[in-house]
Amino acid sequence: NAGVTQTPKFQVLKTGQSMTLQCAQDMNHNSMYWYRQDPGMGLRLIYYSASEGTTDKGEVPNGYNVSRLNKREFSLRLESAAPSQTSVYFCASSDTYYNSPLHFGNGTRLTVT
Amino acid sequence: SQKIEQNSEALNIQEGKTATLTCNYTNYSPAYLQWYRQDPGRGPVFLLLIRENEKEKRKERLKVTFDTTLKQSLFHITASQPADSATYLCALDEGSQGNLIFGKGTKLSVKP
Repeated sequence: NAGVTQTPKFQVLKTGQSMTLQCAQDMNHNSMYWYRQDPGMGLRLIYYSASEGTTDKGEVPNGYNVSRLNKREFSLRLESAAPSQTSVYFCASSDTYYNSPLHFGNGTRLTVT
Repeated sequence: SQKIEQNSEALNIQEGKTATLTCNYTNYSPAYLQWYRQDPGRGPVFLLLIRENEKEKRKERLKVTFDTTLKQSLFHITASQPADSATYLCALDEGSQGNLIFGKGTKLSVKP
C-alpha cells in the first residue's frame, strides 16, 4: 500500500521547457489536489479534482494545467516553465472533497533556470 | 483580508515538557480545522481534525482545541520527545465547502 506516489522526485528545467508531474494514489480516494510549497509562503493550492471527471482552479492556477486521467491518477503540466515556478510540488488525495484528511506524496522538487 | 497565522516560525523546548502551538485566523468561518506534521524532504502527514462544534480532540500525547469565538486553535504535545521535532501545519476550510488553506507552519525542536 504505497499511498500517494509522485514522479519525478527532482527535476531541472530551462525557462520555456514543458513537463508533466505525475501523481497516483492507491487508496480509492475520490478527490485529488496539487499544492506548491515555497519558503515563507506555506502550501498553496494550484488545482484540485473533487471527483473523477472534474477539475477546478485553486489559489494559484496560472501557468499550470491538470488532467484527472482516471480515479487513481492526477497529473500537473507546466506548458512553458518560468523561474517563478521553482518550488516543491505536492500531490494529495482525500476520501471526499470536504471535511476529510489529506494524504500527501513526498513531493517533486522543481528548479527552473 | 483573510489570514491564518501560526504563532511563531520556531519553538524550542526541553524534552519532557509540553509543547503548545497556536493557530489564529481572521475573516474565515471554518467548519473544521486540521493539524499536520511535516518532516524535512517529506510531505505533510495528517494528525488530527477538529470540527467547529468540538471543543477538544485527543490522540495519544496530542491534544487540539478549537475556539471559534477567539478564532484560535491550540495544538499540544505532552511529554515531548526529540522525535517530535518537525514542522507542524494547521489548515482550515474556507467555509461553504471551500478549499483547505494552510498556515506557514511552526518548526518545533525538542532538545534532550
